Amino acid sequence: QTVVTQEPSLTVSPGGTVTLTCASSTGAVTSGYFPNWFQQKPGQAPRALIYSTSNRHSWTPARFSGSLLGGKAALTLSGVQAEDEAEYYCLLSYGGARVFGGGTKLTVL
Amino acid sequence: QVQLVQSGAEVKKPGASVKVSCKASGYSFIDYGITWVRQAPGQGLEWMGWISNFSGKTNYGQKFQGRATMTTDKYTSTAYMELKNLTSDDAAVYYCARFGVIPPREDYWGQGTLVAVSS
Repeated sequence: QTVVTQEPSLTVSPGGTVTLTCASSTGAVTSGYFPNWFQQKPGQAPRALIYSTSNRHSWTPARFSGSLLGGKAALTLSGVQAEDEAEYYCLLSYGGARVFGGGTKLTVL
Repeated sequence: QVQLVQSGAEVKKPGASVKVSCKASGYSFIDYGITWVRQAPGQGLEWMGWISNFSGKTNYGQKFQGRATMTTDKYTSTAYMELKNLTSDDAAVYYCARFGVIPPREDYWGQGTLVAVSS
């Protein structure tokens, strides 16, 4: 049973920078896991932010960036805004199967 | 514009089956797959599997093999997900998402379908 682990919660000040990470129980996350990141606000469907480690969708603000960091996938938010308060999920590929992380609740305070 | 419109909320009894639909528009249906994801109340997202709208090939999460069936109708640009033998653990919001295979990415999402399981 593959487990993908994210920080349960993080807090950031408006205008600040925060990095969320995504680890795999199978070992280091590489580009071959094609990390995707999603944002979800209460009562809404998830919204895609990043695919294939670092590629933004056309609607993704430039303050969201994806990378690999220390064997994990990472999502960095720079210049955080109040509207960025949400749950964030990563999704990794394992061959044909995909597994979500447990999510990170980001509080902007 | 790309849209995925899902069927309405369902209430089912334990042991029953549910079939959720996802009608796509605004793009070439067969050029993408459809991923199904569910979210139990207060819980995270759970990947259920995906189907190729071109070939009908499926890939199910281990937990759903044998109990979920994903199908697709190219002529109506509609994908379906049927889940059998429902239990209270299956109560969730079920989402479909457009799936680009190379590289793998879910970009556009449906609005979600609430499935309640109650005797």
